[in-house]
Amino acid sequence: GENVEQHPSTLSVQEGDSAVIKCTYSDSASNYFPWYKQELGKRPQLIIDIRSNVGEKKDQRIAVTLNKTAKHFSLHITETQPEDSAVYFCAAKAGSSASKIIFGSGTRLSIRP
Amino acid sequence: NAGVTQTPKFRVLKTGQSMTLLCAQDMNHEYMYWYRQDPGMGLRLIHYSVGEGTTAKGEVPDGYNVSRLKKQNFLLGLESAAPSQTSVYFCASSYDDKAFFGQGTRLTVV
Repeated sequence: GENVEQHPSTLSVQEGDSAVIKCTYSDSASNYFPWYKQELGKRPQLIIDIRSNVGEKKDQRIAVTLNKTAKHFSLHITETQPEDSAVYFCAAKAGSSASKIIFGSGTRLSIRP
Repeated sequence: NAGVTQTPKFRVLKTGQSMTLLCAQDMNHEYMYWYRQDPGMGLRLIHYSVGEGTTAKGEVPDGYNVSRLKKQNFLLGLESAAPSQTSVYFCASSYDDKAFFGQGTRLTVV
Protein backbone atom coordinates (compact mmCIF):
# COMPACT_ATOMS: atom_id res chain seq x y z
CA GLY A 1 0.00 0.00 0.00
CA GLU A 2 0.85 3.67 -0.05
CA ASN A 3 3.59 4.95 2.26
CA VAL A 4 4.28 8.64 2.84
CA GLU A 5 7.50 9.84 4.47
CA GLN A 6 7.87 13.39 5.75
CA HIS A 7 10.95 15.40 6.72
CA PRO A 8 12.00 17.07 8.90
CA SER A 9 10.08 16.09 12.02
CA THR A 10 10.84 19.46 13.61
CA LEU A 11 11.78 22.78 12.04
CA SER A 12 12.60 26.11 13.64
CA VAL A 13 12.95 29.24 11.52
CA GLN A 14 13.36 32.95 12.21
CA GLU A 15 10.26 35.04 11.68
CA GLY A 16 10.30 36.37 8.15
CA ASP A 17 12.41 33.51 6.77
CA SER A 18 11.13 30.69 4.58
CA ALA A 19 10.28 27.14 5.64
CA VAL A 20 10.33 24.04 3.47
CA ILE A 21 8.84 20.64 4.34
CA LYS A 22 9.40 17.63 2.10
CA CYS A 23 7.47 14.42 1.51
CA THR A 24 7.95 11.33 -0.61
CA TYR A 25 5.33 8.76 -1.55
CA SER A 26 5.58 5.18 -2.74
CA ASP A 27 2.55 4.56 -4.95
CA SER A 28 3.25 5.92 -8.44
CA ALA A 29 -0.50 5.90 -9.12
CA SER A 30 -1.23 8.45 -6.36
CA ASN A 31 -2.84 11.51 -7.89
CA TYR A 32 -3.82 13.88 -5.06
CA PHE A 33 -1.50 15.51 -2.50
CA PRO A 34 -2.97 17.71 0.25
CA TRP A 35 -1.27 19.54 3.10
CA TYR A 36 -2.91 20.00 6.50
CA LYS A 37 -2.10 22.36 9.35
CA GLN A 38 -2.87 21.40 12.94
CA GLU A 39 -2.63 23.98 15.69
CA LEU A 40 -2.18 22.81 19.26
CA GLY A 41 -5.28 21.05 20.52
CA LYS A 42 -7.17 21.62 17.28
CA ARG A 43 -8.28 19.50 14.35
CA PRO A 44 -6.20 19.26 11.13
CA GLN A 45 -7.30 21.73 8.48
CA LEU A 46 -6.58 21.69 4.76
CA ILE A 47 -4.34 24.57 3.69
CA ILE A 48 -3.37 23.67 0.13
CA ASP A 49 -3.52 20.72 -2.23
CA ILE A 50 -2.19 19.71 -5.64
CA ARG A 51 -3.18 17.13 -8.21
CA SER A 52 -0.80 15.08 -10.31
CA ASN A 53 -1.50 17.00 -13.51
CA VAL A 54 -0.01 20.18 -11.99
CA GLY A 55 3.63 20.85 -11.01
CA GLU A 56 3.16 23.81 -8.69
CA LYS A 57 0.38 25.64 -6.92
CA LYS A 58 0.54 28.85 -4.91
CA ASP A 59 -1.80 30.55 -2.45
CA GLN A 60 -0.43 33.79 -1.00
CA ARG A 61 2.54 32.83 1.20
CA ILE A 62 2.25 29.08 0.76
CA ALA A 63 3.11 26.97 -2.26
CA VAL A 64 3.33 23.29 -3.06
CA THR A 65 5.54 21.68 -5.70
CA LEU A 66 5.21 18.16 -7.10
CA ASN A 67 7.80 16.02 -8.87
CA LYS A 68 5.98 12.94 -10.14
CA THR A 69 9.11 11.31 -11.52
CA ALA A 70 10.86 11.43 -8.15
CA LYS A 71 7.56 10.85 -6.25
CA HIS A 72 8.33 13.89 -4.17
CA PHE A 73 6.32 16.95 -3.11
CA SER A 74 7.12 19.92 -0.90
CA LEU A 75 5.42 22.69 1.05
CA HIS A 76 7.00 26.15 0.95
CA ILE A 77 6.03 28.92 3.38
CA THR A 78 7.53 32.34 2.72
CA GLU A 79 7.74 35.36 5.05
CA THR A 80 6.88 33.20 8.04
CA GLN A 81 4.81 34.68 10.84
CA PRO A 82 4.18 33.56 14.46
CA GLU A 83 0.75 32.20 13.49
CA ASP A 84 2.47 29.74 11.14
CA SER A 85 3.69 27.78 14.20
CA ALA A 86 1.85 24.44 14.06
CA VAL A 87 2.23 20.81 13.00
CA TYR A 88 2.02 20.30 9.25
CA PHE A 89 1.02 17.01 7.63
CA CYS A 90 1.42 15.96 4.03
CA ALA A 91 -0.78 13.25 2.57
CA ALA A 92 -1.30 11.26 -0.60
CA LYS A 93 -4.35 9.63 -2.04
CA ALA A 94 -3.52 6.03 -2.83
CA GLY A 95 -4.10 5.35 -6.48
CA SER A 96 -4.89 1.68 -5.97
CA SER A 97 -7.90 2.50 -3.81
CA ALA A 98 -9.26 5.87 -4.70
CA SER A 99 -10.76 6.63 -1.33
CA LYS A 100 -7.79 6.19 1.01
CA ILE A 101 -5.84 9.26 2.11
CA ILE A 102 -2.54 8.33 3.79
CA PHE A 103 -0.69 10.85 5.95
CA GLY A 104 2.95 11.54 6.69
CA SER A 105 4.21 11.64 10.28
CA GLY A 106 4.09 15.43 10.57
CA THR A 107 6.49 18.38 10.96
CA ARG A 108 6.39 20.62 14.00
CA LEU A 109 7.20 24.14 12.74
CA SER A 110 8.27 26.78 15.25
CA ILE A 111 8.70 30.43 14.30
CA ARG A 112 11.31 32.28 16.37
CA PRO A 113 10.57 35.99 17.01
CA ASN B 1 -24.05 23.65 9.47
CA ALA B 2 -22.01 21.81 12.11
CA GLY B 3 -19.63 19.97 9.73
CA VAL B 4 -18.14 16.87 11.38
CA THR B 5 -19.00 16.23 15.01
CA GLN B 6 -17.48 13.55 17.24
CA THR B 7 -18.93 12.17 20.44
CA PRO B 8 -17.56 11.98 23.12
CA LYS B 9 -14.68 14.48 23.33
CA PHE B 10 -12.92 12.68 26.19
CA ARG B 11 -13.17 9.19 27.65
CA VAL B 12 -11.27 7.04 30.12
CA LEU B 13 -11.71 3.28 29.82
CA LYS B 14 -10.46 0.37 31.85
CA THR B 15 -8.62 -2.41 30.04
CA GLY B 16 -11.14 -4.87 28.60
CA GLN B 17 -14.06 -2.45 28.49
CA SER B 18 -15.87 -1.67 25.27
CA MET B 19 -17.07 1.58 23.81
CA THR B 20 -18.31 3.21 20.62
CA LEU B 21 -17.20 6.53 19.19
CA LEU B 22 -19.75 8.35 17.07
CA CYS B 23 -18.98 10.53 14.08
CA ALA B 24 -21.73 12.56 12.44
CA GLN B 25 -21.49 14.79 9.37
CA ASP B 26 -24.13 17.05 7.87
CA MET B 27 -22.41 17.75 4.54
CA ASN B 28 -23.88 14.74 2.68
CA HIS B 29 -20.37 13.36 2.03
CA GLU B 30 -20.03 9.82 0.73
CA TYR B 31 -16.59 9.10 2.15
CA MET B 32 -15.83 8.91 5.86
CA TYR B 33 -12.67 7.92 7.75
CA TRP B 34 -11.38 7.10 11.22
CA TYR B 35 -7.77 8.00 12.08
CA ARG B 36 -5.75 7.73 15.24
CA GLN B 37 -3.07 10.27 16.13
CA ASP B 38 -0.09 9.33 18.28
CA PRO B 39 2.98 11.48 19.01
CA GLY B 40 5.51 11.28 16.19
CA MET B 41 3.36 8.95 14.09
CA GLY B 42 1.02 11.33 12.32
CA LEU B 43 -2.49 10.29 11.43
CA ARG B 44 -2.91 6.58 10.79
CA LEU B 45 -5.99 5.30 8.99
CA ILE B 46 -8.00 2.73 10.97
CA HIS B 47 -11.06 2.10 8.77
CA TYR B 48 -12.91 4.01 6.12
CA SER B 49 -16.18 3.95 4.22
CA VAL B 50 -17.02 4.89 0.65
CA GLY B 51 -20.76 5.00 1.24
CA GLU B 52 -23.69 3.89 3.35
CA GLY B 53 -23.45 0.20 4.19
CA THR B 54 -19.78 -0.15 3.14
CA THR B 55 -16.58 -0.27 5.21
CA ALA B 56 -12.95 -1.15 4.52
CA LYS B 57 -9.74 -1.65 6.49
CA GLY B 58 -7.06 1.00 6.68
CA GLU B 59 -3.47 0.84 7.91
CA VAL B 60 -4.13 -0.16 11.54
CA PRO B 61 -7.54 -1.91 11.75
CA ASP B 62 -6.79 -4.54 14.41
CA GLY B 63 -8.82 -4.18 17.60
CA TYR B 64 -11.43 -1.91 16.00
CA ASN B 65 -14.71 -2.39 14.19
CA VAL B 66 -16.84 0.11 12.30
CA SER B 67 -20.33 0.48 10.93
CA ARG B 68 -21.97 2.88 8.45
CA LEU B 69 -25.69 2.15 8.72
CA LYS B 70 -26.62 5.72 7.82
CA LYS B 71 -24.81 7.97 5.37
CA GLN B 72 -24.30 10.72 7.93
CA ASN B 73 -22.91 8.49 10.72
CA PHE B 74 -19.72 6.44 11.03
CA LEU B 75 -19.24 4.48 14.26
CA LEU B 76 -15.93 3.20 15.60
CA GLY B 77 -16.09 0.38 18.15
CA LEU B 78 -13.54 -1.01 20.56
CA GLU B 79 -14.70 -4.43 21.79
CA SER B 80 -11.99 -4.96 24.42
CA ALA B 81 -9.90 -1.85 25.02
CA ALA B 82 -6.14 -2.15 25.51
CA PRO B 83 -3.63 0.45 26.77
CA SER B 84 -2.11 0.52 23.26
CA GLN B 85 -5.37 2.08 22.07
CA THR B 86 -4.76 5.19 24.13
CA SER B 87 -4.74 7.90 21.49
CA VAL B 88 -6.55 10.83 19.96
CA TYR B 89 -9.11 9.66 17.42
CA PHE B 90 -10.17 11.83 14.51
CA CYS B 91 -13.06 11.25 12.19
CA ALA B 92 -13.20 12.89 8.77
CA SER B 93 -15.49 13.07 5.80
CA SER B 94 -14.46 14.05 2.30
CA TYR B 95 -15.79 15.51 -0.93
CA ASP B 96 -13.70 15.84 -4.08
CA ASP B 97 -10.79 14.34 -2.03
CA LYS B 98 -10.81 17.24 0.45
CA ALA B 99 -11.12 15.90 3.98
CA PHE B 100 -12.87 17.74 6.81
CA PHE B 101 -12.04 16.62 10.33
CA GLY B 102 -14.00 16.43 13.54
CA GLN B 103 -12.65 17.95 16.74
CA GLY B 104 -11.17 14.68 17.98
CA THR B 105 -11.77 12.26 20.86
CA ARG B 106 -9.07 11.81 23.47
CA LEU B 107 -9.26 8.22 24.72
CA THR B 108 -7.23 6.91 27.62
CA VAL B 109 -7.19 3.19 28.45
CA VAL B 110 -5.90 2.39 31.93
